[in-house]
Amino acid sequence: GQNIDQPTEMTATEGAIVQINCTYQTSGFNGLFWYQQHAGEAPTFLSYNVLDGLEEKGRFSSFLSRSKGYSYLLLKELQMKDSASYLCAVRDQSTGANNLFFGTGTRLTVIP
Amino acid sequence: EPEVTQTPSHQVTQMGQEVILRCVPISNHLYFYWYRQILGQKVEFLVSFYNNEISEKSEIFDDQFSVERPDGSNFTLKIRSTKLEDSAMYFCASRVGEDYGYTFGSGTRLTVV
Repeated sequence: GQNIDQPTEMTATEGAIVQINCTYQTSGFNGLFWYQQHAGEAPTFLSYNVLDGLEEKGRFSSFLSRSKGYSYLLLKELQMKDSASYLCAVRDQSTGANNLFFGTGTRLTVIP
Repeated sequence: EPEVTQTPSHQVTQMGQEVILRCVPISNHLYFYWYRQILGQKVEFLVSFYNNEISEKSEIFDDQFSVERPDGSNFTLKIRSTKLEDSAMYFCASRVGEDYGYTFGSGTRLTVV
């Protein structure tokens, strides 16, 4: 099975930096994904890590430590439109199907 | 940019009725998925489908659920006898292969009354 934990809610100020943490336990780890989800909409892909280290993509960066079962998503220069839920998801290959399993999501509120 | 298309966007059905949710994955994608999200809860895996058969299904995906790829483009989820607790947003997703390209559709909001 999969166990994925992330904080339920966070608040940050426009223009600031916020870090959203995710810890996971899975028997067949094969990559970690971050998705953004606005209320009532589909998850949209933000980043992917399969090796340890930092992946940077514009204002968004994601870090992975496989030995610690830990990842974070870093959002810089926050904008009001960044208010959304951020979903940590782990790809699990233990059954051979390589499926994606989601955490509960972190609802980020950006305030002026 | 290619999209995963889902229809309808919203469906209301009476308890006990059958519903079919439809998805058109991206044309060159080979792996297909259904997920659901009950309001305020996490996105939950239902089923994965590859090479015209189910590759994995979750505990949620019981005998009331079935999936089909009736032709080269559509991928459907059928719920035979809906229950109130089936009310949720249902997302279809697809990916082309062993890369990270999971693309989600915009979802079907199913309301069972």
